[in-house]
Amino acid sequence: SQQGEEDPQALSIQEGENATMNCSYKTSINNLQWYRQNSGRGLVHLILIRSNEREKHSGRLRVTLDTSKKSSSLLITASRAADTASYFCATGRGGSARQLTFGSGTQLTVLP
Amino acid sequence: ETGVTQSPTHLIKTRGQQVTLRCSSQSGHNTVSWYQQALGQGPQFIFQYYREEENGRGNFPPRFSGLQFPNYSSELNVNALELDDSALYLCASSSTGGANSGELFFGEGSRLTVL
Repeated sequence: SQQGEEDPQALSIQEGENATMNCSYKTSINNLQWYRQNSGRGLVHLILIRSNEREKHSGRLRVTLDTSKKSSSLLITASRAADTASYFCATGRGGSARQLTFGSGTQLTVLP
Repeated sequence: ETGVTQSPTHLIKTRGQQVTLRCSSQSGHNTVSWYQQALGQGPQFIFQYYREEENGRGNFPPRFSGLQFPNYSSELNVNALELDDSALYLCASSSTGGANSGELFFGEGSRLTVL
């Protein structure tokens, strides 16, 4: 079963615009991670935010975490056509922080 | 490049057959986990191995089994294949400890089609 649910399921924007994806989850977590997947390929880790953190930045990525609302958002600024991919949030909990529960993903299309 | 390699990349089997998928972990990683990703869905956790022992399992039947070897490479075996087993199977390695403990490094996956 999927714990995280991403919103929207699909997002289409123009190059240079910002893209925001949201993730909600159900149980308590140790950390929340975002991964990217190009069509049919493996997943690439983007960023990890711990349950005691509220915001984290990495390059053009900004992630927020609100544990009271059990939600997270991923912001990609100044998007590029190469950012076109599926984006997944994943949660790890308890002593099994590496046993991740993934959402169903947001398909981002960046138009040149 | 994550340093995690999987083989084969694609394979086709028929219902009832058995399959073995292989994974080489990134150097220095002692934990390997396997995920199943159906088309259009997020990956689902199958199981995890640490120091050659299974130390976590998702909601998959016993016909899904695995091994981890002393060099930390791993196998996923699926017996009595069913049509619904058609999916991308992803291997991920990780290390214990460190600032980013919990980050997984994924291979490119093995695409299994069951006819």
